[in-house]
Amino acid sequence: QQPVQSPQAVILREGEDAVINCSSSKALYSVHWYRQKHGEAPVFLMILLKGGEQKGHEKISASFNEKKQQSSLYLTASQLSYSGTYFCGTDRTGNTPLVFGKGTRLSVIA
Amino acid sequence: EPEVTQTPSHQVTQMGQEVILRCVPISNHLYFYWYRQILGQKVEFLVSFYNNEISEKSEIFDDQFSVERPDGSNFTLKIRSTKLEDSAMYFCASSPYETRDRGSSSYEQYFGPGTRLTVT
Repeated sequence: QQPVQSPQAVILREGEDAVINCSSSKALYSVHWYRQKHGEAPVFLMILLKGGEQKGHEKISASFNEKKQQSSLYLTASQLSYSGTYFCGTDRTGNTPLVFGKGTRLSVIA
Repeated sequence: EPEVTQTPSHQVTQMGQEVILRCVPISNHLYFYWYRQILGQKVEFLVSFYNNEISEKSEIFDDQFSVERPDGSNFTLKIRSTKLEDSAMYFCASSPYETRDRGSSSYEQYFGPGTRLTVT
């Protein structure tokens, strides 16, 4: 079951914040976030484990609401380099392949 | 920093031909995957491979596809009798996934740079 991401696209000015959401109708074990720049491979950002700790970068953080089966990715003080398409990948049992959402296209402008 | 590598970066083939896409996962990783991404669309899972056998495959991964780990380092995806709709970016990924009898854990998957397959 494919997770649903929102918004589909967002445009930010440098320094602004953004939130990208990922929702599933099924119970999740973990949520993985990736960023993909045009023509490049997806780059791992972080993983949110059910009941576990969060990993991530400095100005990019995320939360995982197990009850709502929803994860949110928070981008603060956005930089031009944050531009790209953000995908969430969901894992239902801890040993299943990731099912990716359709992505959120983020554009940061000067 | 170790990384997943893939060759070739771009493969052009005629419809009906066979192609082999190659990947070298990160050396101490245990779990391997193939994904594909049709231009402008989401990343789709094809197959996962663990302990020298397929552990899971999607409905996309039909008899046209096969995977192999011929020499302990390379991980290949073979597509027999390619079709126009096979044109896509194919990504290999690997994960330092622990053995299942240690309990479930979910580890990040590291993607290779991809092979762009164009079927004409």
